[in-house]
Order: sequence, then C-alpha cells, then structure tokens
Amino acid sequence: AQKITQTQPGMFVQEKEAVTLDCTYDTSDQSYGLFWYKQPSSGEMIFLIYQGSYDEQNATEGRYSLNFQKARKSANLVISASQLGDSAMYFCAMSSNNAGNMLTFGGGTRLMVKP
Amino acid sequence: DAGVIQSPRHEVTEMGQEVTLRCKPISGHNSLFWYRQTMMRGLELLIYFNNNVPIDDSGMPEDRFSAKMPNASFSTLKIQPSEPRDSAVYFCASSLGQGRGGYGYTFGSGTRLTVV
Repeated sequence: AQKITQTQPGMFVQEKEAVTLDCTYDTSDQSYGLFWYKQPSSGEMIFLIYQGSYDEQNATEGRYSLNFQKARKSANLVISASQLGDSAMYFCAMSSNNAGNMLTFGGGTRLMVKP
Repeated sequence: DAGVIQSPRHEVTEMGQEVTLRCKPISGHNSLFWYRQTMMRGLELLIYFNNNVPIDDSGMPEDRFSAKMPNASFSTLKIQPSEPRDSAVYFCASSLGQGRGGYGYTFGSGTRLTVV
C-alpha cells in the first residue's frame, strides 16, 4: 500500500518570501511518481509539478521546485517569491506500478500568503 | 482538448432521490478515476477504471454507490438512494497510464453535491 503524509495543516508566508510544504511518502515500489496539485478556493485541481522516482534531478516548473530526497522518502514543494494568488490548498500525491494507476493523496496543506 | 468534463457542476437533491454524476475523460486516456472530497475525509478514491474495466472499487462507501464506464468516452457515478452524508464534491480524473511526466492526470471541475 502507498501512503502520503502532509504534516502541516496550515501555513502562513509573507508575500515575496519562499515557502516549503512538506510531503513524505511510503511505498515498497521502486518505480513511482510524485505529484503536487493546487486547489484554490474555486475548487479545481491544478497540476503543478511531477517527479519520477528514477529522475536524478529535482523537478522545477517556474516558481515551483520539488525537493526530492529519495532515501528519506520526502518530496517537499518549494514555492519561491510567494504571491497572493498562491493562497490555496496544496496536495501531494503519488502513483506507483504496484498500485495500478491510482493516485493517492495526502491530507493537504492550506497556504495563506500575507501581503 | 476540452479537458475532463463533468456534469452537472452543482446538484441539490432530496434525501432518497437517485443522483447520477457524469464524466467525459480526455480522449486517448485509458484510466478514469472517481474521487470524493469532504472536509472531514479529504480526497478519497472511490473507484478507478483501466480500459473501461473497473479495477478497484474498494473505496466505494456502500452498495448505494455504483459506477459504470460503458465506453472510453463516458462514465457515470450513481447514488441511489442518496443521503445527506453523501454531500461532497465529486471529482473525475483521467490519465494515460501512470501519468508519466506528470501531465497525464487531469481533473474535471468537480460536481458539488448537496443532499438535503
């Protein structure tokens, strides 16, 4: 079974500062993928960034980067230069071969950006 | 591509009524997922299909819930009879395999269901 844990229910960050959202995962599979999604107050699920378990470099997408530490089984999301529009729920998720194609989500972190 | 299309966006129904949620996945995607989101339980996977075949329905809460995928371009989630505790946002998502590269898992806009 695969499991995703997000230990920060809520976080504040000052506008223009960087923030790290924590995510740890548990799986016995060797091949898996890690995802981050953003859910603003409007409710849609927006894909942000992906990291494959065999990717040697940390993924980056604009202001988003994923700090992948395989030995620690962590996949933290780093948002640089926070903007007011970054205020939202953020979900970490994973998929793996042995779990079929299902995407398992963590409980989410609510990020609030202060002006 | 129009993305994953769900209908209706909002549904208000009375307890005991049948509710049917609909989903059109992205063309070419071979996996389809139904999730339910509530404040108390977060995002729960209800059921998923690979190539139109149900693979894992262990997340379906009880017999009142059923899901079908008659073809690659359409799926339904039915609740009969509905109860107030079924009130939630129901998301449909589709993917190509495991969504390699991260771009394969696409979510619909969700259906907000309220059972009164």
